[in-house]
Amino acid sequence: DTGVSQNPRHKITKRGQNVTFRCDPISEHNRLYWYRQTLGQGPEFLTYFQNEAQLEKSRLLSDRFSAERPKGSFSTLEIQRTEQGDSAMYLCASSLEYANTEAFFGQGTRLTVV
Amino acid sequence: AQSVTQPDIHITVSEGASLELRCNYSYGATPYLFWYVQSPGQGLQLLLKYFSGDTLVQGIKGFEAEFKRSQSSFNLRKPSVHWSDAAEYFCAVGAQGTSYGKLTFGQGTILTVHP
Repeated sequence: DTGVSQNPRHKITKRGQNVTFRCDPISEHNRLYWYRQTLGQGPEFLTYFQNEAQLEKSRLLSDRFSAERPKGSFSTLEIQRTEQGDSAMYLCASSLEYANTEAFFGQGTRLTVV
Repeated sequence: AQSVTQPDIHITVSEGASLELRCNYSYGATPYLFWYVQSPGQGLQLLLKYFSGDTLVQGIKGFEAEFKRSQSSFNLRKPSVHWSDAAEYFCAVGAQGTSYGKLTFGQGTILTVHP
């Protein structure tokens, strides 16, 4: 297993367009997390899944954002009607659900809204 | 709600010098604490973690951190810095009883290493 994989690595889109990102977690990990990182800031939690169930959503996740993990494996994060403020690095992480385990992060998708 | 403060936005050290990056957290119970490193345009790599037990934890790449409950701190140290350590470092806290991947991060400290 090569770790958490995110695609695309970079995305440039025009304001108002919809974009979708994909995350493939480490295969045996049943928990998957999405974070957003803006320039000069630490990552901020957006949402997480256990298997296919979305268990928590941050207030940062506006109604333009939707995340899915339909079969409990890969996940997608869609942003509708993108705004310039959505420009950020979107990070995905995965973990086991057991105690004393950590999350492993992907390399992220850099979104630029022009 | 938990929070993390990294007081130093940018630190510059000479190669071979010792390093200490500061991290203070706010959390009502015993936290789970992490240090991650991020190279430009890359994801986060875990350096070390504290869940319980010995308050001095060893990590990868020669890093260590000490959990001090009385000071609400979890400072990262390295006795001799290498040029390849130049990166951004993030301290993070996780809450007991929640998923260990749901973390609150500090703002980060950028480390520059001079030859």
